[in-house]
Amino acid sequence: KQEVTQIPAALSVPEGENLVLNCSFTDSAIYNLQWFRQDPGKGLTSLLLIQSSQREQTSGRLNASLDKSSGRSTLYIAASQPGDSATYLCAVNAAGNKLTFGGGTRVLVKP
Amino acid sequence: EAGVVQSPRYKIIEKKQPVAFWCNPISGHNTLYWYLQNLGQGPELLIRYENEEAVDDSQLPKDRFSAERLKGVDSTLKIQPAELGDSAVYLCASSREPGHYGYTFGSGTRLTVV
Repeated sequence: KQEVTQIPAALSVPEGENLVLNCSFTDSAIYNLQWFRQDPGKGLTSLLLIQSSQREQTSGRLNASLDKSSGRSTLYIAASQPGDSATYLCAVNAAGNKLTFGGGTRVLVKP
Repeated sequence: EAGVVQSPRYKIIEKKQPVAFWCNPISGHNTLYWYLQNLGQGPELLIRYENEEAVDDSQLPKDRFSAERLKGVDSTLKIQPAELGDSAVYLCASSREPGHYGYTFGSGTRLTVV
Protein backbone atom coordinates (compact mmCIF):
# COMPACT_ATOMS: atom_id res chain seq x y z
CA LYS A 1 0.00 0.00 0.00
CA GLN A 2 1.39 3.39 -1.02
CA GLU A 3 2.03 5.78 1.85
CA VAL A 4 2.91 9.44 1.37
CA THR A 5 4.47 11.56 4.09
CA GLN A 6 5.06 15.29 4.13
CA ILE A 7 7.52 16.98 6.45
CA PRO A 8 7.26 19.41 8.09
CA ALA A 9 3.55 19.54 8.89
CA ALA A 10 3.77 23.29 9.37
CA LEU A 11 6.29 25.96 8.42
CA SER A 12 6.56 29.66 9.22
CA VAL A 13 9.09 31.88 7.43
CA PRO A 14 9.69 35.60 6.97
CA GLU A 15 8.87 37.10 3.62
CA GLY A 16 11.66 36.72 1.07
CA GLU A 17 13.01 33.47 2.45
CA ASN A 18 13.06 30.38 0.24
CA LEU A 19 10.66 27.56 1.10
CA VAL A 20 11.60 23.87 1.00
CA LEU A 21 8.77 21.34 1.31
CA ASN A 22 9.47 17.63 1.45
CA CYS A 23 7.43 14.66 0.31
CA SER A 24 8.33 10.97 0.60
CA PHE A 25 6.54 7.89 -0.71
CA THR A 26 7.00 4.20 -0.02
CA ASP A 27 6.39 2.58 -3.43
CA SER A 28 8.57 3.90 -6.25
CA ALA A 29 6.39 2.33 -8.98
CA ILE A 30 4.57 5.56 -9.78
CA TYR A 31 3.22 7.16 -12.95
CA ASN A 32 3.68 10.72 -11.77
CA LEU A 33 3.66 13.03 -8.77
CA GLN A 34 1.58 16.18 -8.45
CA TRP A 35 1.93 19.16 -6.09
CA PHE A 36 -1.22 21.03 -5.12
CA ARG A 37 -1.97 24.21 -3.22
CA GLN A 38 -5.04 24.53 -1.00
CA ASP A 39 -6.24 27.79 0.49
CA PRO A 40 -8.48 27.65 3.57
CA GLY A 41 -11.99 26.49 2.67
CA LYS A 42 -11.06 26.02 -0.98
CA GLY A 43 -10.42 23.17 -3.36
CA LEU A 44 -7.05 22.00 -4.68
CA THR A 45 -5.10 23.96 -7.27
CA SER A 46 -2.52 22.03 -9.27
CA LEU A 47 0.95 23.59 -9.16
CA LEU A 48 3.28 21.13 -10.85
CA LEU A 49 3.04 17.65 -12.38
CA ILE A 50 6.20 15.56 -12.64
CA GLN A 51 6.18 12.40 -14.73
CA SER A 52 8.06 9.39 -13.39
CA SER A 53 10.67 9.80 -16.16
CA GLN A 54 11.40 13.42 -15.22
CA ARG A 55 13.76 14.77 -12.59
CA GLU A 56 12.21 18.20 -12.12
CA GLN A 57 9.59 20.69 -13.23
CA THR A 58 9.63 24.47 -12.97
CA SER A 59 6.96 27.13 -13.07
CA GLY A 60 7.90 30.68 -12.18
CA ARG A 61 9.19 30.74 -8.61
CA LEU A 62 8.28 27.08 -8.12
CA ASN A 63 10.57 24.15 -8.74
CA ALA A 64 9.80 20.53 -7.92
CA SER A 65 12.31 17.71 -8.02
CA LEU A 66 11.66 13.98 -8.13
CA ASP A 67 13.96 11.14 -7.09
CA LYS A 68 11.85 8.10 -7.79
CA SER A 69 14.41 5.55 -6.67
CA SER A 70 14.62 7.04 -3.19
CA GLY A 71 10.92 7.89 -3.03
CA ARG A 72 11.34 11.62 -2.56
CA SER A 73 10.13 14.87 -4.03
CA THR A 74 10.92 18.41 -2.96
CA LEU A 75 9.02 21.58 -3.74
CA TYR A 76 11.08 24.77 -3.69
CA ILE A 77 9.43 28.18 -3.62
CA ALA A 78 11.87 31.00 -4.17
CA ALA A 79 11.58 34.42 -2.53
CA SER A 80 8.42 33.63 -0.59
CA GLN A 81 5.57 36.14 -0.39
CA PRO A 82 2.65 36.44 2.05
CA GLY A 83 0.38 35.29 -0.79
CA ASP A 84 2.21 31.94 -0.72
CA SER A 85 0.61 31.19 2.64
CA ALA A 86 -1.48 28.06 2.14
CA THR A 87 -1.37 24.29 2.58
CA TYR A 88 0.73 22.40 0.06
CA LEU A 89 -0.18 18.82 -0.74
CA CYS A 90 1.89 16.20 -2.48
CA ALA A 91 0.07 13.37 -4.30
CA VAL A 92 1.41 10.25 -5.99
CA ASN A 93 -0.35 8.57 -8.91
CA ALA A 94 0.41 4.86 -8.99
CA ALA A 95 -1.05 1.53 -10.07
CA GLY A 96 -4.73 1.66 -10.90
CA ASN A 97 -4.55 5.43 -11.39
CA LYS A 98 -5.04 5.86 -7.67
CA LEU A 99 -3.92 9.22 -6.32
CA THR A 100 -2.54 9.00 -2.78
CA PHE A 101 -2.02 12.20 -0.81
CA GLY A 102 0.31 13.22 1.97
CA GLY A 103 -1.03 15.07 4.97
CA GLY A 104 0.12 18.44 3.67
CA THR A 105 2.46 21.19 4.86
CA ARG A 106 0.80 24.32 6.20
CA VAL A 107 2.89 27.34 5.23
CA LEU A 108 2.74 30.82 6.75
CA VAL A 109 4.82 33.59 5.20
CA LYS A 110 5.09 36.56 7.54
CA PRO A 111 5.34 40.07 6.06
CA GLU B 1 -11.87 25.22 -20.51
CA ALA B 2 -14.32 25.25 -17.64
CA GLY B 3 -13.06 23.57 -14.50
CA VAL B 4 -14.60 20.83 -12.40
CA VAL B 5 -17.88 22.17 -11.03
CA GLN B 6 -19.27 21.03 -7.71
CA SER B 7 -22.45 21.97 -5.90
CA PRO B 8 -23.46 22.94 -3.36
CA ARG B 9 -20.42 24.69 -1.89
CA TYR B 10 -21.72 24.36 1.65
CA LYS B 11 -24.34 22.14 3.25
CA ILE B 12 -25.55 21.96 6.84
CA ILE B 13 -27.88 19.12 7.79
CA GLU B 14 -29.10 17.37 10.89
CA LYS B 15 -27.84 13.87 11.61
CA LYS B 16 -29.87 11.05 10.11
CA GLN B 17 -30.93 13.25 7.20
CA PRO B 18 -29.94 12.43 3.59
CA VAL B 19 -27.63 14.64 1.55
CA ALA B 20 -26.40 14.65 -2.04
CA PHE B 21 -23.45 16.26 -3.78
CA TRP B 22 -23.13 16.90 -7.48
CA CYS B 23 -20.06 17.05 -9.72
CA ASN B 24 -19.66 18.03 -13.36
CA PRO B 25 -16.19 17.11 -14.64
CA ILE B 26 -14.23 18.82 -17.37
CA SER B 27 -15.59 17.96 -20.81
CA GLY B 28 -13.79 14.97 -22.28
CA HIS B 29 -12.46 13.72 -18.94
CA ASN B 30 -13.48 10.08 -18.72
CA THR B 31 -12.06 9.48 -15.25
CA LEU B 32 -13.89 10.93 -12.25
CA TYR B 33 -13.02 10.66 -8.57
CA TRP B 34 -14.71 11.47 -5.29
CA TYR B 35 -12.42 12.25 -2.36
CA LEU B 36 -13.12 12.90 1.32
CA GLN B 37 -10.98 15.41 3.20
CA ASN B 38 -11.11 15.69 6.97
CA LEU B 39 -9.84 18.84 8.64
CA GLY B 40 -6.06 19.06 8.64
CA GLN B 41 -5.59 15.92 6.57
CA GLY B 42 -4.96 15.01 2.96
CA PRO B 43 -7.85 13.82 0.77
CA GLU B 44 -8.73 10.12 0.73
CA LEU B 45 -10.28 8.32 -2.21
CA LEU B 46 -13.90 7.23 -1.93
CA ILE B 47 -14.65 6.05 -5.46
CA ARG B 48 -13.17 6.18 -8.97
CA TYR B 49 -15.12 6.03 -12.23
CA GLU B 50 -13.93 5.21 -15.72
CA ASN B 51 -16.79 6.53 -17.85
CA GLU B 52 -19.93 5.21 -16.13
CA GLU B 53 -18.23 2.24 -14.46
CA ALA B 54 -17.12 2.38 -10.82
CA VAL B 55 -13.70 0.70 -11.08
CA ASP B 56 -12.59 1.29 -7.49
CA ASP B 57 -15.13 1.71 -4.69
CA SER B 58 -13.26 -0.26 -2.04
CA GLN B 59 -13.06 2.77 0.29
CA LEU B 60 -16.72 3.76 -0.06
CA PRO B 61 -18.76 2.98 3.10
CA LYS B 62 -21.53 1.23 1.23
CA ASP B 63 -23.90 0.97 4.16
CA ARG B 64 -24.64 4.68 3.93
CA PHE B 65 -22.80 6.08 0.92
CA SER B 66 -23.76 5.63 -2.71
CA ALA B 67 -22.62 7.18 -5.97
CA GLU B 68 -23.64 7.16 -9.58
CA ARG B 69 -22.34 8.49 -12.84
CA LEU B 70 -25.08 8.08 -15.37
CA LYS B 71 -24.04 8.47 -19.02
CA GLY B 72 -20.44 8.79 -17.93
CA VAL B 73 -20.54 12.56 -17.46
CA ASP B 74 -21.68 14.20 -14.22
CA SER B 75 -21.83 12.32 -10.95
CA THR B 76 -23.77 12.35 -7.69
CA LEU B 77 -22.54 11.22 -4.26
CA LYS B 78 -25.19 10.51 -1.65
CA ILE B 79 -25.12 9.87 2.09
CA GLN B 80 -28.15 8.39 3.80
CA PRO B 81 -28.42 8.70 6.72
CA ALA B 82 -25.70 11.23 7.59
CA GLU B 83 -23.75 10.89 10.83
CA LEU B 84 -21.84 13.51 12.80
CA GLY B 85 -18.55 11.96 11.66
CA ASP B 86 -19.41 12.62 8.02
CA SER B 87 -18.66 16.32 8.50
CA ALA B 88 -15.84 16.99 6.04
CA VAL B 89 -15.07 18.39 2.62
CA TYR B 90 -16.08 16.25 -0.32
CA LEU B 91 -13.90 16.83 -3.37
CA CYS B 92 -14.48 15.79 -6.95
CA ALA B 93 -11.66 15.44 -9.47
CA SER B 94 -11.44 14.47 -13.11
CA SER B 95 -8.73 13.56 -15.58
CA ARG B 96 -8.41 12.91 -19.28
CA GLU B 97 -5.58 10.46 -18.76
CA PRO B 98 -4.18 10.48 -15.22
CA GLY B 99 -0.92 8.81 -16.18
CA HIS B 100 -0.05 11.77 -18.39
CA TYR B 101 -2.14 14.79 -17.50
CA GLY B 102 -2.69 14.61 -13.77
CA TYR B 103 -5.89 15.58 -12.01
CA THR B 104 -8.09 18.67 -11.81
CA PHE B 105 -10.09 19.23 -8.64
CA GLY B 106 -13.30 21.11 -8.00
CA SER B 107 -13.82 23.58 -5.16
CA GLY B 108 -15.40 20.93 -2.95
CA THR B 109 -18.54 20.73 -0.85
CA ARG B 110 -18.14 21.42 2.85
CA LEU B 111 -20.63 19.29 4.79
CA THR B 112 -21.52 20.00 8.40
CA VAL B 113 -23.71 17.48 10.21
CA VAL B 114 -25.25 18.79 13.44
